[in-house]
Amino acid sequence: AQTVTQSQPEMSVQEAETVTLSCTYDTSESDYYLFWYKQPPSRQMILVIRQEAYKQQNATENRFSVNFQKAAKSFSLKISDSQLGDAAMYFCAVGSYQLTFGKGTKLSVIP
Amino acid sequence: EPEVTQTPSHQVTQMGQEVILRCVPISNHLYFYWYRQILGQKVEFLVSFYNNEISEKSEIFDDQFSVERPDGSNFTLKIRSTKLEDSAMYFCASSEGRPNYGYTFGSGTRLTVV
Repeated sequence: AQTVTQSQPEMSVQEAETVTLSCTYDTSESDYYLFWYKQPPSRQMILVIRQEAYKQQNATENRFSVNFQKAAKSFSLKISDSQLGDAAMYFCAVGSYQLTFGKGTKLSVIP
Repeated sequence: EPEVTQTPSHQVTQMGQEVILRCVPISNHLYFYWYRQILGQKVEFLVSFYNNEISEKSEIFDDQFSVERPDGSNFTLKIRSTKLEDSAMYFCASSEGRPNYGYTFGSGTRLTVV
């Protein structure tokens, strides 16, 4: 069984500042993948960034980067130069085929 | 960019009625999934489908649910006798294989049971 914990139900950040969203997980699988998804009010699931667990190098995607600590089972998302359009629910997910999601963090961006 | 397409975007149905939610996965993908998100809650895995059969299912996926790939493109989720608690957003997803590439979600079907 897999579990994913997002300990911050809500976060806020000033526009242009940096914010880090936390995620910890537990899994018995040896080969798995980690994801951050963004869900705006439209409720569409938009992939933000993906990390292969076997890779030590942290994934980056433009203003988004992760800090993946495999031993600690931690997978945090850093958003740099926050923009108003970044305001959304952010879900952390872990899995190999089926994904297990956390409960989400609601991010607000303050102009 | 290839998309997973879901129809309808919103469906309202009476309790006890059957509903079919439809999905067109990305054409070269081999694995298909249904997830559910009750309003304000996390996304939950329902079922995965590979090689024309269910590969895994969760405890939520009980006898009232079924999935089918009736032709080469569509992937459907049927709920036989809807209950109020089935009201949720239902997401279809597909992947090439291991989700290292191309694990893509559709835009969802909002199901409201009244």
